Amino acid sequence: DGGITQSPKYLFRKEGQNVTLSCEQNLNHDAMYWYRQDPGQGLRLIYYSQIVNDFQKGDIAEGYSVSREKKESFPLTVTSAQKNPTAFYLCASSIGPVLQERQYFGPGTRLLVL
Amino acid sequence: SQQGEEDPQALSIQEGENATMNCSYKTSINNLQWYRQNSGRGLVHLILIRSNEREKHSGRLRVTLDTSKKSSSLLITASRAADTASYFCATDGAGAQKLVFGQGTRLTINP
Repeated sequence: DGGITQSPKYLFRKEGQNVTLSCEQNLNHDAMYWYRQDPGQGLRLIYYSQIVNDFQKGDIAEGYSVSREKKESFPLTVTSAQKNPTAFYLCASSIGPVLQERQYFGPGTRLLVL
Repeated sequence: SQQGEEDPQALSIQEGENATMNCSYKTSINNLQWYRQNSGRGLVHLILIRSNEREKHSGRLRVTLDTSKKSSSLLITASRAADTASYFCATDGAGAQKLVFGQGTRLTINP
């Protein structure tokens, strides 16, 4: 997991509440990603950013928002519009803006709904 | 969208035995990657094999790629209890511009 930190490890959301998951990397990587993982499933891409101040929707962006104001930071907000947010969220980064390169993952944040 | 599919979904073997996992995909690729995930943790990159490569080794890991069959296999030799984890293949479909992960193989090594 080295080089990428995610916080918190566990996060609880109430109905109608927006919550923000933190992702920071000190690897000087250009590209960063957010994935969602449901139990027993693979990863699905939520959003990705190839460069500061730019980001693109992935396969399941509805109900989520991101920002990329700094190279090292890529926070994910789970909005109240996301009706089924309970999942394990993984942040990743890669050296360059080529999305098919090897990715480095953080330890993840588990989001639960109260 | 095209996706790697691992087989089997779960595999349980005795320590010291070899473990083989397979990945099939649907469209042409530039490269294929294998990752490991310990329970409740992030993914760790194991190996990347490019479409013009047929076999690659890394320690006790051996990956093969057959682009004619659109399949790859990951072999772990002389398994250890610490190899217990889920293993995912990830492919980049030509033109897809992203990695697509399969659902994974859950490997259990029994002492």
